[in-house]
Amino acid sequence: GQQVMQIPQYQHVQEGEDFTTYCNSSTTLSNIQWYKQRPGGHPVFLIQLVKSGEVKKQKRLTFQFGEAKKNSSLHITATQTTDVGTYFCAGPLPNSGGSNYKLTFGKGTLLTVNP
Amino acid sequence: ETGVTQTPRHLVMGMTNKKSLKCEQHLGHNAMYWYKQSAKKPLELMFVYSLEERVENNSVPSRFSPECPNSSHLFLHLHTLQPEDSALYLCASSQYVGGGEQFFGPGTRLTVL
Repeated sequence: GQQVMQIPQYQHVQEGEDFTTYCNSSTTLSNIQWYKQRPGGHPVFLIQLVKSGEVKKQKRLTFQFGEAKKNSSLHITATQTTDVGTYFCAGPLPNSGGSNYKLTFGKGTLLTVNP
Repeated sequence: ETGVTQTPRHLVMGMTNKKSLKCEQHLGHNAMYWYKQSAKKPLELMFVYSLEERVENNSVPSRFSPECPNSSHLFLHLHTLQPEDSALYLCASSQYVGGGEQFFGPGTRLTVL
């Protein structure tokens, strides 16, 4: 079935190092969203990308949407301990009946940062 | 504060109990969702409601029964659960189904003994 895949599943870095997580869809997406879930918390929306090749920045976070709108990445420059958490990408995929779209989440990348 | 509240935050129940989870959104959204999050299957979509009408049911066992009395409230009724149902149950809402950012509640941590 159609799905959203995310790698790596886990990433451990030293504070100050960069971090990247990658997201791939089996089909073209109209948009892609990114969420962050802190340990013990709930997913919180970070950003939505809509245009082919779009790049958006939020301080040390850089989000990219691929030209074919099937892949995306989140890059964090100079990680800090506050960046710890699971980062999920999500894209709208058709539901089983094809009559509607549902936001489908990747399995997430758990980032841990060693101070 | 995300505008989506869930009660209770923690719940421990036996396999023969009946309990309900409650979700309320104060954002004026038209779509509401139930997700199950466990170590094995992160963010597993269970049910989707659009304007109080169920539009998605992802092959969820009948021991989970959703109810959406209005566009602001969503319930998940639980009965005769199994230990493998222990997980974090998250409610979310969005402007419309299938698109737009989703706002998640804090979740209910459920333990089935």
